[in-house]
Amino acid sequence: NAGVMQNPRHLVRRRGQEARLRCSPVKGHSHVYWYRQLPEEGLKFMVYLQKENIIDESGMPKERFSAEFPKEGPSILRIQQVVRGDSAAYFCASRGDNEQFFGPGTRLTVL
Amino acid sequence: AQTVTQSQPEMSVQEAETVTLSCTYDTSESDYYLFWYKQPPSRQMILVIRQEAYKQQNATENRFSVNFQKAAKSFSLKISDSQLGDAAMYFCAYRRASSGSARQLTFGSGTQLTVLP
Repeated sequence: NAGVMQNPRHLVRRRGQEARLRCSPVKGHSHVYWYRQLPEEGLKFMVYLQKENIIDESGMPKERFSAEFPKEGPSILRIQQVVRGDSAAYFCASRGDNEQFFGPGTRLTVL
Repeated sequence: AQTVTQSQPEMSVQEAETVTLSCTYDTSESDYYLFWYKQPPSRQMILVIRQEAYKQQNATENRFSVNFQKAAKSFSLKISDSQLGDAAMYFCAYRRASSGSARQLTFGSGTQLTVLP
């Protein structure tokens, strides 16, 4: 859905660097989901946030990954000390009453 | 835990013909939603169709319809009068309906659909 914005669309990092992925939900939506799509696979749930709160992070690796959705500004997915296995497409989705609307994704490549 | 299985990694269909993509799922819930998403080469996830489990009537959206068999936990997508623009990866997805849950989507592994001119 064009209403969900993600940037950057493409991000290249070297091993050990940090990656910051941003997601601006549909205006008025206060629920954000992050999903990861590894090559040749379906999307896998990582984390669910409401404004200023992490509600469910059961799909997110315990190490190196963190997410936030501040009162003002976009949601951020942060990956510290990236490794080659982090290379994937990361999708953000925002939810109003029922439907989840997806952003165009950020393609992360780790060299 | 809920699982979604798409057993057809690739399918092809002649333009203007009909194709059916298969999906099965496993859940202990009685109330849930099922979805088909389309992912073209742009990688944008586009919602194609949605089905509420409590509704017996199969959902239809223009050329897209589903065959929802709740007892068999089957949810297939039928595309009629296939067009070149239908070529994409198609994902089946499941979501719990209960208001107390996070309501994240669980996706299948996808079916790559090729439309032949």
